[in-house]
Amino acid sequence: SQELEQSPQSLIVQEGKNLTINCTSSKTLYGLYWYKQKYGEGLIFLMMLQKGGEEKSHEKITAKLDEKKQQSSLHITASQPSHAGIYLCGADSGAGNNRKLIWGLGTSLAVNP
Amino acid sequence: SAVISQKPSRDICQRGTSLTIQCQVDSQVTMMFWYRQQPGQSLTLIATANQGSEATYESGFVIDKFPISRPNLTFSTLTVSNLSPEDSSIYLCSGGQGRTDTQYFGPGTRLTVL
Repeated sequence: SQELEQSPQSLIVQEGKNLTINCTSSKTLYGLYWYKQKYGEGLIFLMMLQKGGEEKSHEKITAKLDEKKQQSSLHITASQPSHAGIYLCGADSGAGNNRKLIWGLGTSLAVNP
Repeated sequence: SAVISQKPSRDICQRGTSLTIQCQVDSQVTMMFWYRQQPGQSLTLIATANQGSEATYESGFVIDKFPISRPNLTFSTLTVSNLSPEDSSIYLCSGGQGRTDTQYFGPGTRLTVL
């Protein structure tokens, strides 16, 4: 079965610093989703990538999809305390009768003022 | 996009009892889903809630333990039955147009079983 590995597991940065979170799939990526989750809240949709080389931005957050590496990276520029939370990647499990979204374990981000 | 509400937001229950979680979507979505998020584990799909018929359960989840209803397009309930401490988790509902399309999530229900 397909698995998604996120790295790093957790991250603490100083406000204003840039950071990158990676999501690597064990199989071909058919679609990759990034969500953010704050404590006690549901998942907030950030963006979805489908094509190799695709890059999308949401405010100061940019995500790219590298089909060859079966990987997506999420980059935050000039981080702010409001960026703190858990970032989850989800992927289309691909072909098969039980096609569904599968998820990484998440990357916990803390931003120190 | 869809706005999804869930209640209760949290509950503490005794072993052997049941908890029913309600999920309301503000617009009609084709599909509604129920997930479990246990500490240290990835988000796990429990079932797809089907309007007017039995839910479709994922491997490892059964109707007796997790009965689900979806009487109309915008409302669904998940019951977690015969609770044990292992059921302590966050339960999330989501809605979308397909199993692998963008899903919009409710705020989650944090269940603690004593």
